[in-house]
Amino acid sequence: QLQLQESGPGLVKPSETLSLTCTVSGGSISSSGYYWGWIRQPPGKGLEWIGNVFYIGSTDYNSSLKSRVTISVDTSKNQFSLKLSSVTAADTAVYYCARWDCGGGSCYPDFWGQGTLVTVSS
Amino acid sequence: QSALTQPRSVSGSPGQSVTISCTGTSSDVGGYNFVSWYQHHPGKAPKFMIYDVTKRPSGVPDRFSGSKSGNTASLTISGLQAEDEADYYCCSYAGRYTYVFGTGTKVTVL
Repeated sequence: QLQLQESGPGLVKPSETLSLTCTVSGGSISSSGYYWGWIRQPPGKGLEWIGNVFYIGSTDYNSSLKSRVTISVDTSKNQFSLKLSSVTAADTAVYYCARWDCGGGSCYPDFWGQGTLVTVSS
Repeated sequence: QSALTQPRSVSGSPGQSVTISCTGTSSDVGGYNFVSWYQHHPGKAPKFMIYDVTKRPSGVPDRFSGSKSGNTASLTISGLQAEDEADYYCCSYAGRYTYVFGTGTKVTVL
């Protein structure tokens, strides 16, 4: 059974860089037909798509975050990562990693991690 | 990209039907038949419920159905059960390999 697990600091200072890693088990991150991505949910708010990465390293980002986001993949470790720079309190959220199934006409996040809360505070 | 608009909450008694709307624009919901829905019990991983507007992944009960008209997609839960109480989110392709989620709807089973 595919599992995704987020890891990283739960507290980040304002203006610093948020860094999270998603470890994939039960399947290969190099499988064709799948992208891997990050989604977040600020407290009391809805979900927000952050961006996706393909195993060869190509990426797509939310235009509102594009200048601050980097998503990368490490196939040797079956992991992918998120870096969000210059964070503010508005970046406080539960961050989810997810597999995106792109086998049909579009892509859908069909498997999600449990999520990890990241708080931005001094 | 603005979030898709969903009602904050809907409710129904066991056995009844509820419908959740998801309103976007011609650049997302109205422009593509690529809408999906997710069930989220707080503290757990969201669950994939509907894709391509109307299709159900294997294992999802047929009580869950999706539809779309113009810029508004809908999720209907028929024969409401206690375990259906959760938050529900829609998601749409928004062009140029980007995606937008809805604001979320809390379903309460009375």
